[in-house]
Amino acid sequence: ETGVTQTPRHLVMGMTNKKSLKCEQHLGHNAMYWYKQSAKKPLELMFVYNFKEQTENNSVPSRFSPECPNSSHLFLHLHTLQPEDSALYLCASSQDGTGTNNEQFFGPGTRLTVL
Amino acid sequence: AQSVTQLGSHVSVSEGALVLLRCNYSSSVPPYLFWYVQYPNQGLQLLLKYTSAATLVKGINGFEAEFKKSETSFHLTKPSAHMSDAAEYFCAVRAFNKFYFGSGTKLNVKP
Repeated sequence: ETGVTQTPRHLVMGMTNKKSLKCEQHLGHNAMYWYKQSAKKPLELMFVYNFKEQTENNSVPSRFSPECPNSSHLFLHLHTLQPEDSALYLCASSQDGTGTNNEQFFGPGTRLTVL
Repeated sequence: AQSVTQLGSHVSVSEGALVLLRCNYSSSVPPYLFWYVQYPNQGLQLLLKYTSAATLVKGINGFEAEFKKSETSFHLTKPSAHMSDAAEYFCAVRAFNKFYFGSGTKLNVKP
């Protein structure tokens, strides 16, 4: 595997379910990000981890719970979601969270549908 | 405050025509600027980036962008559009360790 991978690619869940999204980067990066991409809205940054420490939480509802066990893996645990949470969830990584010119590398995303 | 504005949520060009996608930014610090492309059902892929070296930046797939400080712009161009260029394009600025993305421009290429 190369780059940034995300699983599953598609997920349908009910509002009472608990599920997790997984992201793995094979680039040796130290910073990882979760974004939400909804139709007709700008990309929304959700969480940032730098060297496994959460450095940003953009007022994300507690029904989204991130976990970063190491610099290569990032999870997004989901529980009691709402239909408006349906979106494409993108994971990204960068060399670190402090280099101002470091670009982000994105995974293919998980298309989430909440029924 | 940092922000990115992309003029035109949809742009349509004919195959072989010039592509021009506009991006204006505001930044309180010297910006680092990026263009990303997103094909359907895929993540964002870096097209090119400006990091305070040459103001004209060449990227992949024949795209280029010019940084104009006086106009706070970083417009993306390609001399001749191909059908395969149909996608959504995002401009982004990085400042204070954060990325700020524009709302995207969908490019349609007509045969």
